[in-house]
Amino acid sequence: DGGITQSPKYLFRKEGQNVTLSCEQNLNHDAMYWYRQDPGQGLRLIYYSQIVNDFQKGDIAEGYSVSREKKESFPLTVTSAQKNPTAFYLCASSITQGPYNEQFFGPGTRLTVL
Amino acid sequence: QKEVEQDPGPLSVPEGAIVSLNCTYSNSAFQYFMWYRQYSRKGPELLMYTYSSGNKEDGRFTAQVDKSSKYISLFIRDSQPSDSATYLCAMSQTNDYKLSFGAGTTVTVRA
Repeated sequence: DGGITQSPKYLFRKEGQNVTLSCEQNLNHDAMYWYRQDPGQGLRLIYYSQIVNDFQKGDIAEGYSVSREKKESFPLTVTSAQKNPTAFYLCASSITQGPYNEQFFGPGTRLTVL
Repeated sequence: QKEVEQDPGPLSVPEGAIVSLNCTYSNSAFQYFMWYRQYSRKGPELLMYTYSSGNKEDGRFTAQVDKSSKYISLFIRDSQPSDSATYLCAMSQTNDYKLSFGAGTTVTVRA
């Protein structure tokens, strides 16, 4: 059963701590993405990766870091430099061939800073 | 000004009503237009996509694109309580892996 998994579903962080959100896909997609969703603001792109060992900053990359060591995995680290990290984080993947980009999303991780 | 504008609502309609959702955009290079549906505390899922201008129908759902006005719409006929969700418009240029999303409109269909 193909899809995208994210863990944990809920995550609580104290101020000053780094946390890592997991994203795994078994769709054999080359491209993977991280978005942040806040109420009334839609989805904002944090980072994306089109191939293993390569990734690009999105619109709001400051305070975040990623790695892409395996095709299936694209973890996101929220560092202490991110001033307002409380949000819903969504991971997505897509193929890289074809004229348009249908992205498949995971169930999300809700991060709360205490 | 945001690249894609979408009224966040919320929108509440009685069961059986027609739901009308829309987005405007500023980038004339957008060629692919998508609607995603997102249930509460879940990830979005693609509902429909349209290339360039025109209409596309899929069951109770109709998507319209008017590139001359930079305006897209989604209509839901005979709405059901199961249609209660947030609907996000998204768009991209040809062969571009980046999607630009609207803020999402939250719809509630009352039984």
